Amino acid sequence: AQKITQTQPGMFVQEKEAVTLDCTYDTSDQSYGLFWYKQPSSGEMIFLIYQGSYDEQNATEGRYSLNFQKARKSANLVISASQLGDSAMYFCAMSRPYDAGNMLTFGGGTRLMVKP
Amino acid sequence: EAGVAQSPRYKIIEKRQSVAFWCNPISGHATLYWYQQILGQGPKLLIQFQNNGVVDDSQLPKDRFSAERLKGVDSTLKIQPAKLEDSAVYLCASSFRNSPLHFGNGTRLTVT
Repeated sequence: AQKITQTQPGMFVQEKEAVTLDCTYDTSDQSYGLFWYKQPSSGEMIFLIYQGSYDEQNATEGRYSLNFQKARKSANLVISASQLGDSAMYFCAMSRPYDAGNMLTFGGGTRLMVKP
Repeated sequence: EAGVAQSPRYKIIEKRQSVAFWCNPISGHATLYWYQQILGQGPKLLIQFQNNGVVDDSQLPKDRFSAERLKGVDSTLKIQPAKLEDSAVYLCASSFRNSPLHFGNGTRLTVT
């Protein structure tokens, strides 16, 4: 079975600073995908970034990067130059197997609050 | 492209009543998912469809929940009878082959 753990229930960051949101996972699968989604107060889930377990390079998408450490089973999200609009819930998720379209198992989420 | 459409946006019912939610996925997306998100938690998969067939419904409480996708496009999720613990946001998502899931805005259900 897959399990995703997000140990930070809430975090504050100053506007324009960088922030790291932690995510650790547990799986017996050799191939899998790791995702981050953003959920603003309006409720929709917005896809941010994807990392495949066999990808050697860390994924980047604009201000988002995924710090993938396979041996430690961690997939932390780094947001650079935080903006007020980044205030939201952030969820780490895993798919099985190495297929972005497969069903996702989500962590409990981290609430990020950006201070002006 | 148009996103995943869900309705209603909000629903309040009394326990033991029935309720149905509707989802229209992004055009061309063969895979459709229903997730339940209880307040303060991450979404939990209820059921996954590939076209009109069920891929995974292992976490669907089948004594009270049912879902269908008869023509491989729209889907409905039904709860009958509802319990207090069913209060949650019900999220529909769709995907095309290996693309990431695209989610709708969800239906917020309150059971009183």
